[in-house]
Amino acid sequence: DAGITQSPRYKITETGRQVTLMCHQTWSHSYMFWYRQDLGHGLRLIYYSAAADITDKGEVPDGYVVSRSKTENFPLTLESATRSQTSVYFCASFDRGMNTEAFFGQGTRLTVV
Amino acid sequence: GQQVMQIPQYQHVQEGEDFTTYCNSSTTLSNIQWYKQRPGGHPVFLIQLVKSGEVKKQKRLTFQFGEAKKNSSLHITATQTTDVGTYFCAYAGKLIFGQGTTLQVKP
Repeated sequence: DAGITQSPRYKITETGRQVTLMCHQTWSHSYMFWYRQDLGHGLRLIYYSAAADITDKGEVPDGYVVSRSKTENFPLTLESATRSQTSVYFCASFDRGMNTEAFFGQGTRLTVV
Repeated sequence: GQQVMQIPQYQHVQEGEDFTTYCNSSTTLSNIQWYKQRPGGHPVFLIQLVKSGEVKKQKRLTFQFGEAKKNSSLHITATQTTDVGTYFCAYAGKLIFGQGTTLQVKP
């Protein structure tokens, strides 16, 4: 199916564990983004990538790691999860050009206990 | 870095009333985008504004980009319950979002 998909949709993990959230898009968009959404904070950019093997920090990168070995995948890893990382995480993609509409995945609700 | 500030954070209106949300930047923006997120959903693109003073309409929604390209607004005429959700502006350069305005509509 064409589009952008995130997995898992829901995840509960324990403090200190490593957890990876997956994001896959089928359009070959050059740009991909990770956001976290918390009440009162809107969408905050964690990391973004302009192309394969090119990543950069966003507004709130601490505690997160990303990689982009392939254009279509942009996994987000919490190396040692903390309760403050409990949030809803959204992945997005778009391509530079005339139409820069960004497309979002359905989100992953992560709870760290 | 580039930041966009959005006000108000919340707005409750009676169905049929108008609604406006504002987006402001301290620096000139090359463009601005607007997204809508329904409760429990993900953000969905509404529109992009690029030109100084640009005004675009989508049915009851009117989007404006300021002359100095430092502010933008979204105005909804005669709100309906289907307008409920959070509206975000975003600077498309790095896809930085404002905090969003959550609209509640009382039927």
